[in-house]
Amino acid sequence: GESVGLHLPTLSVQEGDNSIINCAYSNSASDYFIWYKQESGKGPQFIIDIRSNMDKRQGQRVTVLLNKTVKHLSLQIAATQPGDSAVYFCAETNTGNQFYFGTGTSLTVIP
Amino acid sequence: SQTIHQWPATLVQPVGSPLSLECTVEGTSNPNLYWYRQAAGRGLQLLFYSVGIGQISSEVPQNLSASRPQDRQFILSSKKLLLSDSGFYLCAWSGNRKYSNQPQHFGDGTRLSIL
Repeated sequence: GESVGLHLPTLSVQEGDNSIINCAYSNSASDYFIWYKQESGKGPQFIIDIRSNMDKRQGQRVTVLLNKTVKHLSLQIAATQPGDSAVYFCAETNTGNQFYFGTGTSLTVIP
Repeated sequence: SQTIHQWPATLVQPVGSPLSLECTVEGTSNPNLYWYRQAAGRGLQLLFYSVGIGQISSEVPQNLSASRPQDRQFILSSKKLLLSDSGFYLCAWSGNRKYSNQPQHFGDGTRLSIL
């Protein structure tokens, strides 16, 4: 089966610092990846996605990096704010219908 | 814009009782629809997905079932709930484009507690 894991279950950063959340995946055929943010009691919220023909994609204050050689995905959040505190999930797919989600990293921003 | 609605937000049910959770999507047509379960502190487990009316794929054998009676309506059901059915149930939709992956967009979930 699929294996999507996160290197660190928890991450604490000072407000204003940059955050980096990592994710490893095992299926080399995966060609589409997504990062989600989940706040307590709510559903996951789409942050940014990347396809396998890219190695970097930038959004507003967020950057996703994809290293297919080592099957590694990361999410960088610039100038982390208290509102960024949440659980972050990576998800992968090679079919477009079935996504496999990691267990999540809990990000805490210290004011 | 597209929106997804799930209800109820919380539900407490006795063991052995039936279940019906509903999810509807607005602002899009022919979406892919999904039901997930999330255990506390865990990732998302795909339960069912549907690519069209009446088309249901089951990922995990269990006492749950899903139905899609209308294009933008997805229902999760059970005839008899088990204690192990407790959890956070999430519905999601994605665009149904055959040759291009689409992100999934989630509702705010139903917190189900079985007593």
